[in-house]
Amino acid sequence: AQSVTQPDIHITVSEGASLELRCNYSYGATPYLFWYVQSPGQGLQLLLKYFSGDTLVQGIKGFEAEFKRSQSSFNLRKPSVHWSDAAEYFCAVGDNTNAGKSTFGDGTTLTVKP
Amino acid sequence: EPEVTQTPSHQVTQMGQEVILRCVPISNHLYFYWYRQILGQKVEFLVSFYNNEISEKSEIFDDQFSVERPDGSNFTLKIRSTKLEDSAMYFCASRVRGGNTEAFFGQGTRLTVV
Repeated sequence: AQSVTQPDIHITVSEGASLELRCNYSYGATPYLFWYVQSPGQGLQLLLKYFSGDTLVQGIKGFEAEFKRSQSSFNLRKPSVHWSDAAEYFCAVGDNTNAGKSTFGDGTTLTVKP
Repeated sequence: EPEVTQTPSHQVTQMGQEVILRCVPISNHLYFYWYRQILGQKVEFLVSFYNNEISEKSEIFDDQFSVERPDGSNFTLKIRSTKLEDSAMYFCASRVRGGNTEAFFGQGTRLTVV
């Protein structure tokens, strides 16, 4: 069965600092990988996705993620964090036999210090 | 930009009552999904639906739950005899045909069972 681990429950960074959120997955084939952001009480916004091809993926709001098959990782990065980036971030692995079915990680809460 | 629409945004119901959560997927999408997020927890897959039948369901999706596409536009989740532990945010999602395509999520319906 597929699974996702987000090792960091909570991360605090200063505004303007760089950010990396970790994600490790377990899946028996080539995975579909996603990062979502969720503000309190809100829905899920897709930041970026990986299906195949270039392992460095660019997303919205200046985020990028790199798929590393050897490490089963798909870490999310941003070079300079803005206060508006404070939210919960979910990594998800999609089932490539049922592409809309995803398994989500527990999430990482990002706090941005002024 | 097309979006998945869910109604209502918040529903309060008494324990033991039946609720129907409604979703209007994006018009050319063929695959439909329901997910659940209990407050403070991760998002969990409930069910996928294609060609007017359930294609896959999780262990959570027991006999208490049912889905239906009653007409050409709506996709509903019915919960019979609600329990306190059914309180959660319920997300609908849809996607087009094709392997490398992501699901688009609605903003969710917050269900509170009292």
